[in-house]
Amino acid sequence: ETGVTQSPTHLIKTRGQQVTLRCSSQSGHNTVSWYQQALGQGPQFIFQYYREEENGRGNFPPRFSGLQFPNYSSELNVNALELDDSALYLCASSLGFGTSTDTQYFGPGTRLTVL
Amino acid sequence: DQQVKQNSPSLSVQEGRISILNCDYTNSMFDYFLWYKKYPAEGPTFLISISSIKDKNEDGRFTVFLNKSAKHLSLHIVPSQPGDSAVYFCAASVGNYGQNFVFGPGTRLSVLP
Repeated sequence: ETGVTQSPTHLIKTRGQQVTLRCSSQSGHNTVSWYQQALGQGPQFIFQYYREEENGRGNFPPRFSGLQFPNYSSELNVNALELDDSALYLCASSLGFGTSTDTQYFGPGTRLTVL
Repeated sequence: DQQVKQNSPSLSVQEGRISILNCDYTNSMFDYFLWYKKYPAEGPTFLISISSIKDKNEDGRFTVFLNKSAKHLSLHIVPSQPGDSAVYFCAASVGNYGQNFVFGPGTRLSVLP
């Protein structure tokens, strides 16, 4: 059992709106990463946080932002939603600093639909 | 521009036989590779990894082979079991600086009883 939970499960928004997705990591996991998985594709790295600081970012615009809190919860915020933002959003937590060899534990994801 | 490719969207194998899932990559800087398994409505689960300094890594029924010259890796599952039916993703990264993994699009494995 991974212990990583995400809320909500599903979400429908309209273009131009803002959305906040939430993730609860396993206790003690200091790193959280967020991924976007479009239909028929693999997950794409958005960014990662270590102890409340962003320490890695993929090729996503600044309207994708995040927060990590001391209680091992985190948020992904997306402003000015576009139709192409429709995807499954996954968070993953890991115990260490967030290096590539740290095992990541994924949550089940939030399915975002933008109309 | 897909840096990690899984050219077989699906694969069907008989229970007890070997499953071979393939992955090709284009970026020669990739030096760490992983395989994940994903069941419906669940997040991906880590399966096995391999560093570029090795050409094989084994964990129970799962073996990953890496051919750096061909930029190719494969996952072998022996023997295949119905519970192995899932989508399998390969992923690659450069260096050990973060979790900026590049994932392939996945292969759906069906193990038939």
